[in-house]
Amino acid sequence: DMKVTQMPRYLIKRMGENVLLECGQDMSHETMYWYRQDPGLGLQLIYISYDVDSNSEGDIPKGYRVSRKKREHFSLILDSAKTNQTSVYFCASSLRLNNYAEQFFGPGTRLTVL
Amino acid sequence: QQQVRQSPQSLTVWEGETAILNCSYEDSTFDYFPWYWQFPRESPALLIAIRPVSNKKEDGRFTIFFNKREKKLSLHITDSQPGDSATYFCAASGNYNQGKLIFGQGTKLSIKP
Repeated sequence: DMKVTQMPRYLIKRMGENVLLECGQDMSHETMYWYRQDPGLGLQLIYISYDVDSNSEGDIPKGYRVSRKKREHFSLILDSAKTNQTSVYFCASSLRLNNYAEQFFGPGTRLTVL
Repeated sequence: QQQVRQSPQSLTVWEGETAILNCSYEDSTFDYFPWYWQFPRESPALLIAIRPVSNKKEDGRFTIFFNKREKKLSLHITDSQPGDSATYFCAASGNYNQGKLIFGQGTKLSIKP
């Protein structure tokens, strides 16, 4: 059963703490994405990864960094989390860098920063 | 700057009616328009997509109508069912986007039985 997984599913942190969100996929997809979803704003792209150690900023990269050391894993890191980073974070993957490729989404991580 | 806009923000129709969700875009180089749907507490999933080589794409009860001149498209859901209640996102991408999708804000559709 091919899928995208995310850990943890729920996370509560205090302002200033570091946050690590992890994403995995078992489809050997080259391209992976991190989005955040806030009410009324749709899905906003934070970072895109074209393959191992080949990452590019999305539309809202400030306050975030990413790491991809293996094709199947893509991590999102918040150094010193802020309250305005409270959101639902989705990871996605697609087969290749292709404008027409379907993106497969993980179940999401609901992050609360107090 | 919102490059992809959706209207209405929310829509309620009766079961069996046709729901019409609208989307407009600014960049004339966009050449791929997928619609994703998202059920409450679930993740988005691809529903249907169109490329501008055609002005219509049909998949069962779901049809995309595309107007390149006006830079508008719409998703028609015929014979709406309560199970169609979800948030629908219009998205767009183009050659220069390098695989990035730009999503609209979404339309929350509710189907009343």
